[in-house]
Amino acid sequence: DIQLTQSPSFLSASVGDRVTITCRASQGISTYLAWYQQKPGKAPKLLIYAASTLQSGVPSRFSGSGSGTEFTLTISSLQPEDFATYYCQQLNYYPRTFGGGTKVEIK
Amino acid sequence: EVQLVESGGGLLQPGGSLRLSCAASGFTFSNYEMNWVRQAPGKGLEWVSCISSTGSTIYYADSVKGRFTISRDNAKNSLFLQMNSLRAEDTAVYYCTRLFSSWGQGTLVTVSS
Repeated sequence: DIQLTQSPSFLSASVGDRVTITCRASQGISTYLAWYQQKPGKAPKLLIYAASTLQSGVPSRFSGSGSGTEFTLTISSLQPEDFATYYCQQLNYYPRTFGGGTKVEIK
Repeated sequence: EVQLVESGGGLLQPGGSLRLSCAASGFTFSNYEMNWVRQAPGKGLEWVSCISSTGSTIYYADSVKGRFTISRDNAKNSLFLQMNSLRAEDTAVYYCTRLFSSWGQGTLVTVSS
């Protein structure tokens, strides 16, 4: 199975900060990677698919990059509504594994 | 508008069985692969199973293989997850999702004696 390792697992940041989350795959997955945002008690929300394509309706401050085994999610200027947990997921192989998550909290 | 509504969750004892349903509307259900994803309390997301648009291709996570069965009824726009031999570690909110871009609200399954 493909293992996805997210770092950091916890991040404390301020409004306006630039935030970068990394997701590393145990083997190459091309660009078959998605990023999700999840708030407490809510279903995940797709932010980015195919490693760098912004889902419709998602603010442009979110961006994704990478291919192969290393990927990043960047929030260019953190907004109050962005405090949440973020997950990566690979869709190249079954099982379609998720990363362990990165919780972004207010500093 | 795409809508996915899960139902069927509840509290049951280890070894029990439960059938989850997901009612879909707002799109042509028979055209889409569907997935189940679960989340244990306070934990991360875990992909559980997927079924192709026709039901001909199915995959499972190792953790549920042989115990869970995914199925669909395209005439009734419904997705199902039959869960047998349930364990405490199956306790989670179960979500159905279309292409991981549309998600239901989830249904809670609690396995406890």
